[in-house]
Amino acid sequence: EAGVTQFPSHSVIEKGQTVTLRCDPISGHDNLYWYRRVMGKEIKFLLHFVKESKQDESGMPNNRFLAERTGGTYSTLKVQPAELEDSGVYFCASSQLAGGINEQFFGPGTRLTVL
Amino acid sequence: EDQVTQSPEALRLQEGESSSLNCSYTVSGLRGLFWYRQDPGKGPEFLFTLYSAGEEKEKERLKATLTKKESFLHITAPKPEDSATYLCAVQTGGYQKVTFGTGTKLQVIP
Repeated sequence: EAGVTQFPSHSVIEKGQTVTLRCDPISGHDNLYWYRRVMGKEIKFLLHFVKESKQDESGMPNNRFLAERTGGTYSTLKVQPAELEDSGVYFCASSQLAGGINEQFFGPGTRLTVL
Repeated sequence: EDQVTQSPEALRLQEGESSSLNCSYTVSGLRGLFWYRQDPGKGPEFLFTLYSAGEEKEKERLKATLTKKESFLHITAPKPEDSATYLCAVQTGGYQKVTFGTGTKLQVIP
């Protein structure tokens, strides 16, 4: 069974540009999460989708970040315009159950560098 | 706000030298505590879920335990392939999001 995949693996952009990250969850997983790790800090939650609906977006840093999940399948996270502090590794995770406690399976991450 | 603190930040062991990693947490309404392993350039890999104080889980050379304030990841007779960063995370309240600690970077020397 394929795991969570993310694209691209690396992205280097200039401040002010736009970048779109993509995540494909494990097939059949209704829950999809975005997390971010900035240098030297812990992995932090950004938002949670249940199918195509945003369930919790309390971790989104500001309105330069836009997440979508088309048809409840893959998800994109767009940063527009990018700032220096947006640099970090963006992880996507997915889980199967609609509620309760369930293990989240992580993708390899996208390393974003904003110059 | 939920807080998860892991210690030590880094640990260097000789192959076969057993030790423990600590994860202390201050949360309201713990629903589950997770341990993950992360290798360089990869995403966190799920190891264990612990639900209540007194619970223990084992997998090969790893054993995770949970009390009301902390969790331990015991590594028995580690091998070089156990070298990785071990992450502790909690799920609380009615939310699905997970709060992570900063991790313990383990290096096992042959």
